[in-house]
Amino acid sequence: EIVLTQSPGTLSLSPGERATLSCRASQSVNSNYLAWYQQKPGQAPRLLIYAASSRATGIPDRFSGSGSGTDFTLTISRLEAEDSAVYYCQQYGNSPRTFGQGTKVEIK
Amino acid sequence: EVQLVQSGAEVKKPGESLKISCKGSGYNFNSYWIGWVRQMPGKGLEWMGIIYPGDSDTRYSPSFQGQVTISADKSISTAYLQWSSLKASDTAMYYCAKLTREGSTWDPFEYWGQGTLVTVS
Repeated sequence: EIVLTQSPGTLSLSPGERATLSCRASQSVNSNYLAWYQQKPGQAPRLLIYAASSRATGIPDRFSGSGSGTDFTLTISRLEAEDSAVYYCQQYGNSPRTFGQGTKVEIK
Repeated sequence: EVQLVQSGAEVKKPGESLKISCKGSGYNFNSYWIGWVRQMPGKGLEWMGIIYPGDSDTRYSPSFQGQVTISADKSISTAYLQWSSLKASDTAMYYCAKLTREGSTWDPFEYWGQGTLVTVS
């Protein structure tokens, strides 16, 4: 089973700043099938990024994904108040599919 | 518009059985894998398993194999998650979610239900 380790645990930034979230896999993710989700309190998760770097439908271009193999990054440029949430990575290129433990982004 | 509508919150006692549901609409239910994700209180997301409603082919995470049963009734576009004997540790929010591409299992979850809170106490 691939273990995904996300860092940092919590990120506290001001509006307009850039957020960089990391997701490291215990082994290479096949086909770079790595997704990022956003979850706000009391809501279901929302797909942001798939295949490491492709934005899902309707996702603002301030969200971008990068990386390959075992190291992946979600970048949120120009943070807005509404970006306050927990962000999860998920690999879906290997069985079983697994999620990271999440990074909480707080807006000051 | 794609929608996944889940059944309502449940409160059960340890040892009881339970079946929760997820009704899909706005797409060809038979042709897309649909799955379940667990979120225990204050914790992260856990991938439980997926089912292809067209032929009921099912894939489970080893962590959940034998602990739950995933099924689907394509005639009413509904997927199910079932327990035969609940434990207190099954207390969680359960989400159903649809994979992205028709017929593909190697996909993320694109559309999500609103979640069903299961409390076992």
